[in-house]
Amino acid sequence: EADIYQTPRYLVIGTGKKITLECSQTMGHDKMYWYQQDPGMELHLIHYSYGVNSTEKGDLSSESTVSRIRTEHFPLTLESARPSHTSQYLCASSGWGTIDSPLHFGNGTRLTVT
Amino acid sequence: DAKTTQPPSMDCAEGRAANLPCNHSTISGNEYVYWYRQIHSQGPQYIIHGLKNNETNEMASLIITEDRKSSTLILPHATLRDTAVYYCIVRADPLLSGYSTLTFGKGTMLLVSP
Repeated sequence: EADIYQTPRYLVIGTGKKITLECSQTMGHDKMYWYQQDPGMELHLIHYSYGVNSTEKGDLSSESTVSRIRTEHFPLTLESARPSHTSQYLCASSGWGTIDSPLHFGNGTRLTVT
Repeated sequence: DAKTTQPPSMDCAEGRAANLPCNHSTISGNEYVYWYRQIHSQGPQYIIHGLKNNETNEMASLIITEDRKSSTLILPHATLRDTAVYYCIVRADPLLSGYSTLTFGKGTMLLVSP
């Protein structure tokens, strides 16, 4: 089993609050990703990172921000949560370089903004 | 990356083989075919990938047609725990074409029944 952890598993928070979703992996993977998925819908890439100090925006525009100060840690922050941010957020990682580096996903954080 | 087309849903009886098709008629020569699945409320899980030869691992077999325009994922003896959304994705080898991310479509919802 892949060692990638997301916390919290569920989060209910009021509008306007600042939140940080945590993601850590113990596999030494260089690449990490954040996907957003509404119930029954497709996954959309919102952020990714090639390695430390590297962050890129994904295919879907997002008001969230990310940072990559350590290889194993890729937190996602919402400065001011809104009901439109209600969704599931999935973190993933993969090894460097070759095609034989599948994505390993965490079990996600289900965020509800009231 | 080439787009893929999958049926939205399929049914399979427990113990029978589940054959999940995927069309990728615009696939190019350096693009691999990946399969992932997502069990309800969990993160996606890697299953298998291939370029042009058929592949088999402990989870499934991947059959790619000679022209590479379609493929089939085979779960030889489906169990209730195989009920999930199955995603077929094509992606170029990053060593040849530069880094690219995985784009998940809508996938096929496979329901395995007793």
